[in-house]
Amino acid sequence: EDQVTQSPEALRLQEGESSSLNCSYTVSGLRGLFWYRQDPGKGPEFLFTLYSAGEEKEKERLKATLTKKESFLHITAPKPEDSATYLCAVQAGTGFQKLVFGTGTRLLVSP
Amino acid sequence: DSGVTQTPKHLITATGQRVTLRCSPRSGDLSVYWYQQSLDQGLQFLIHYYNGEERAKGNILERFSAQQFPDLHSELNLSSLELGDSALYFCASSVEGSTGANVLTFGAGSRLTVL
Repeated sequence: EDQVTQSPEALRLQEGESSSLNCSYTVSGLRGLFWYRQDPGKGPEFLFTLYSAGEEKEKERLKATLTKKESFLHITAPKPEDSATYLCAVQAGTGFQKLVFGTGTRLLVSP
Repeated sequence: DSGVTQTPKHLITATGQRVTLRCSPRSGDLSVYWYQQSLDQGLQFLIHYYNGEERAKGNILERFSAQQFPDLHSELNLSSLELGDSALYFCASSVEGSTGANVLTFGAGSRLTVL
């Protein structure tokens, strides 16, 4: 069964303090690994899709990387507006295309 | 605005009751997915419809049912509600791709509170 484990569960950073979030996964035939951002009471917002080991993608202060077993979301010099829950999900290479989500990392960036 | 519309935004009801949650996908998207998000479990896949046909079922209870209509909007029906059904229910839509990963676009969710 496809599984996604995210760590840490919660992370508190000072503004400007860089860090990384981890997403470990097991999946039978990875079609894609996704990162979403979710603000309280709102729906997940798409950030990145990574398809193969070695791939990297960047958006503003966020950079996502992928290996065969895990993905990292690096946050460089975060700002308070980066505070949110970051969700990792995998999509398997089977017929249907659901996403299997991890439970997320709650990030709080203090000024 | 993601383009995926969910109604109602909030719903409070009593145990044993039945409710219907509605979702309109983004224009052009044929796939609709329903997810449940509770505090202790994260996003759990319930069911997937593509162009009116059920494609996959996840952890959906027998008390729950869904359908996708010819105009592609979808409804999730929850019956004999229990306290534990209180959660955020999200709908997501996507363009079904034959190859490669497809991005799911989520709505803002319907918050169900069962008292």
